Amino acid sequence: KAGVTQTPRYLIKTRGQQVTLSCSPISGHRSVSWYQQTPGQGLQFLFEYFSETQRNKGNFPGRFSGRQFSNSRSEMNVSTLELGDSALYLCASSPFGGDEDTQYFGPGTRLTVL
Amino acid sequence: DAKTTQPPSMDCAEGRAANLPCNHSTISGNEYVYWYRQIHSQGPQYIIHGLKNNETNEMASLIITEDRKSSTLILPHATLRDTAVYYCIVRVPINDYKLSFGAGTTVTVRA
Repeated sequence: KAGVTQTPRYLIKTRGQQVTLSCSPISGHRSVSWYQQTPGQGLQFLFEYFSETQRNKGNFPGRFSGRQFSNSRSEMNVSTLELGDSALYLCASSPFGGDEDTQYFGPGTRLTVL
Repeated sequence: DAKTTQPPSMDCAEGRAANLPCNHSTISGNEYVYWYRQIHSQGPQYIIHGLKNNETNEMASLIITEDRKSSTLILPHATLRDTAVYYCIVRVPINDYKLSFGAGTTVTVRA
């Protein structure tokens, strides 16, 4: 099976711009979670989608949003970029269901805001 | 993850087994032990998980003590590509929808 894919892998933007990141989960996986990872804050949960619905949300401002499509692919959007949004954005998919629901991560999108 | 304690770093010789300890003395009965690793600037990679019994897959073995208060991840034949930060976490998969990594153990495999 192909793993989780994320596009683009690298992105450079300037303050005030917006950005859209894409994630394709492992085939058959229905849950997609997004994380932000920075050296200072570590891994921080953004939101989780299942069946096109946001089920869980982390403590991020409304500038961060996402969606999931019927094929489980997901996108996240960050509007009005700030310097502090520079980070590695990770997508993780899981099959959902059962006691051993494991999350598998993609390679990440490295966002740099100048 | 505040529920686990790992040594900050360790070295290992290439070709030798790497034994990574993790302490989780407050683990509850329905929490699984999960291991991930992250090679610099890449996405975290799932390694293995277990509840009570020892587990083995193509990447590693997981040894969980009988009282479940600690575990050891074993990389049987470490290679240079195993150099990474290794994270041990405990979670109830169906409840703990968000992952949280602590500082982990930085493993350096030396030729």
